Amino acid sequence: NAGVTQTPKFQVLKTGQSMTLQCAQDMNHNSMYWYRQDPGMGLRLIYYSASEGTTDKGEVPNGYNVSRLNKREFSLRLESAAPSQTSVYFCASREGRDGKLLSGANVLTFGAGSRLTVL
Amino acid sequence: RKEVEQDPGPFNVPEGATVAFNCTYSNSASQSFFWYRQDCRKEPKLLMSVYSSGNEDGRFTAQLNRASQYISLLIRDSKLSDSATYLCVVVTNAGKSTFGDGTTLTVKP
Repeated sequence: NAGVTQTPKFQVLKTGQSMTLQCAQDMNHNSMYWYRQDPGMGLRLIYYSASEGTTDKGEVPNGYNVSRLNKREFSLRLESAAPSQTSVYFCASREGRDGKLLSGANVLTFGAGSRLTVL
Repeated sequence: RKEVEQDPGPFNVPEGATVAFNCTYSNSASQSFFWYRQDCRKEPKLLMSVYSSGNEDGRFTAQLNRASQYISLLIRDSKLSDSATYLCVVVTNAGKSTFGDGTTLTVKP
């Protein structure tokens, strides 16, 4: 009954290094999301995938790439990390593909977060 | 303009008080709406969905006004344990889920 699992939980990078945040869900959800949260701010959508095989940009996609590897997994890659990417990253998943309010289908389930520091 | 905007807060209220939060959204294609609660930078967790007719869950009441494009959350008889950040979430018909910046509530004895 794991839900949404993110790895790593903590990571320190130097400017210019690359890394991939991994996210997997075991609820057979269709949609998956990556958000970042900076101090005093809400969650900002980086990328999302409404279904396996599709990805779309959110509010703040610059500096990131994503891969929807299969229905379970959605990874976020930083090709050349910058101090501005220091943040807490949350992965989330949702049963529905679209926004229609079906019972439970639109509820987002989150991972525990990944705290990334770029020096 | 942000797609989803919330009262900036913070709200500091005594136990037993009633407090209301508002959230406005700009995308008229928005399909579904939620309130989430977030504690101490942990992951957000669903508080309640918001239905067109309004809905209640114990001390919490959520309302949606599609014409004016806003949702609200009312908390009655505030408890110390209600202290948290409350986030509104709007989901478009394409499945894009956008959060407001959150409103921080502190309930004091």
